[in-house]
Amino acid sequence: NAGVTQTPKFQVLKTGQSMTLQCAQDMNHEYMSWYRQDPGMGLRLIHYSVGAGITDQGEVPNGYNVSRSTTEDFPLRLLSAAPSQTSVYFCASSYSTQGNEKLFFGSGTQLSVL
Amino acid sequence: AQKITQTQPGMFVQEKEAVTLDCTYDTSDQSYGLFWYKQPSSGEMIFLIYQGSYDEQNATEGRYSLNFQKARKSANLVISASQLGDSAMYFCAMRDPNFGNEKLTFGTGTRLTIIP
Repeated sequence: NAGVTQTPKFQVLKTGQSMTLQCAQDMNHEYMSWYRQDPGMGLRLIHYSVGAGITDQGEVPNGYNVSRSTTEDFPLRLLSAAPSQTSVYFCASSYSTQGNEKLFFGSGTQLSVL
Repeated sequence: AQKITQTQPGMFVQEKEAVTLDCTYDTSDQSYGLFWYKQPSSGEMIFLIYQGSYDEQNATEGRYSLNFQKARKSANLVISASQLGDSAMYFCAMRDPNFGNEKLTFGTGTRLTIIP
């Protein structure tokens, strides 16, 4: 059982380049999210999805796009990378939103924008 | 808007001692959920414990327990008999009752170091 798989694990970009961070889960979870983690700031929500075809913005959505064409995949696109987007990115998924249903996290993508 | 405050950026604790990591939260909602996650140096996020706002008893999971004081809006994590492997970052998080697990608000974390 792979859980939540993120690729790549590391990436270096130049300012202005675009790229897509991949996230896939094999648990048939409806809910998926992208967070970024910066020193001293914890994890902040970028975008989230409550099902295929449905996405919405989180706390820090600027500079990022998402789509959810299937239940399994939730890619995060950086259209024109900026140094401020240097961060560790986590994808997460959850089956439901009630009770003690926890988030399952991917292993993270460390992104550096030069 | 939800807010989570973790006031201890770092803590050093002797091995085998108990440790309490502080977490306070701010919400006007009556129904909410609180989580604690552990992030070791390898970087993955590990779920530790969950407390629902209507749960009458404090949550426990092995050596982890949550000291939930609703009136004070605090949800402190207690680790009993600390081990070297407990050295990690610890994050408190809250689920927005108007949404769900797709939208958690995290605190800034506490770095715990266990001293042999």
